[in-house]
Amino acid sequence: QKEVEQNSGPLSVPEGAIASLNCTYSDRGSQSFFWYRQYSGKSPELIMFIYSNGDKEDGRFTAQLNKASQYVSLLIRDSQPSDSATYLCAVQLSGGSYIPTFGRGTSLIVHP
Amino acid sequence: DAGVIQSPRHEVTEMGQEVTLRCKPISGHNSLFWYRQTMMRGLELLIYFNNNVPIDDSGMPEDRFSAKMPNASFSTLKIQPSEPRDSAVYFCASSPGQGDEKLFFGSGTQLSVL
Repeated sequence: QKEVEQNSGPLSVPEGAIASLNCTYSDRGSQSFFWYRQYSGKSPELIMFIYSNGDKEDGRFTAQLNKASQYVSLLIRDSQPSDSATYLCAVQLSGGSYIPTFGRGTSLIVHP
Repeated sequence: DAGVIQSPRHEVTEMGQEVTLRCKPISGHNSLFWYRQTMMRGLELLIYFNNNVPIDDSGMPEDRFSAKMPNASFSTLKIQPSEPRDSAVYFCASSPGQGDEKLFFGSGTQLSVL
């Protein structure tokens, strides 16, 4: 079964630090990778996507993709308490399916 | 754009009753997804529509669950009869489709079956 794995956390970091969230996937042919942020009691919201190996930066967020090692990560620089949320990794698998498969999410806590 | 609209926001019902959840996707989006989220199992895909046609319903738990998309602007998820184990948050999401599957989620329906 094709899977997307994340450490459930919680990951606790001090305000101003870099938070590093990791995700591994089993389907080597996966093409598209997404990060969603979900605040408690709210719906997931897309914050980053990446298709090619390497880094992609958007403000304080950087997505990193390594297809050879089958992992994708999300770095949050200068973490703020407002970044405290659950971060869901989603992978669009190969084989023509357009259905993203979600990991269970990592809970991030940024403390002042 | 109003985003993906789901109703109701909360539903409390008794075991055995019929439950209908509703979703209006973003105009112009060709793909629609129904997901269920629980603490134990995370976010699970129930069914995926493309251009109003059900493409993958392998995530639908059993025959008690059914989903329809009669037109591009409306979809329903029905549970009949409902059971306590169906209690979860049900999300509808839409995406532009054609391989661009960046999902936009609705606010969700919190379902409690007593």
